[in-house]
Amino acid sequence: DAGVIQSPRHEVTEMGQEVTLRCKLISGHNSLFWYRQTMMRGLELLIYFNNNVPIDDSGMPEDRFSAKMPNASFSTLKIQPSEPRDSAVYFCASSLGTGVTEAFFGQGTRLTVV
Amino acid sequence: DAKTTQPPSMDCAEGRAANLPCNHSTISGNEYVYWYRQIHSQGPQYIIHGLKNNETNEMASLIITEDRKSSTLILPHATLRDTAVYYCIVRGRGSDYKLSFGAGTTVTVRA
Repeated sequence: DAGVIQSPRHEVTEMGQEVTLRCKLISGHNSLFWYRQTMMRGLELLIYFNNNVPIDDSGMPEDRFSAKMPNASFSTLKIQPSEPRDSAVYFCASSLGTGVTEAFFGQGTRLTVV
Repeated sequence: DAKTTQPPSMDCAEGRAANLPCNHSTISGNEYVYWYRQIHSQGPQYIIHGLKNNETNEMASLIITEDRKSSTLILPHATLRDTAVYYCIVRGRGSDYKLSFGAGTTVTVRA
């Protein structure tokens, strides 16, 4: 397996534009985590899913952010409208189940909103 | 609310063992200790986890005290490629299986 795949790797967009980040889970995994990383706040958990169902979205900063799992192997994180303070590296991670398992992270998407 | 406490940084000589401490005095009986690391510009990488017994794998060893209030990650022969931020995480199972990262320890391996 190629691991967790995120796209794009880099995104530069203008303030106010819609941004969609994508994540492909490892085959067979059924838990998905979206994180955001900045120098100021470190790694923050935004939302996590289990079996395509959002379990906890308390880390989502505001209504401009939304995440979906249209199928068991794919997820999107959308920001609409984007703002400069959304600039960060966004990671997704997948794992098998909710038990004692390791989570595998993608290489991240570096988002810059100008 | 932070569940773990780690020193912000530490240096280590190449080829020597690196011992990374972590305090988790409020850990509950069904929570595990996980270690991840993040090499610059990459996604976090799983290292090891344990409940109460010491664990060893090809990357590292994890020593958990008998009262489980602290643990030590041991990199037996540190190399320059081990320079990274190391995160100690307490994680439950079931509905409390969130993987929440703190500030971690920045480990710099010097030649």
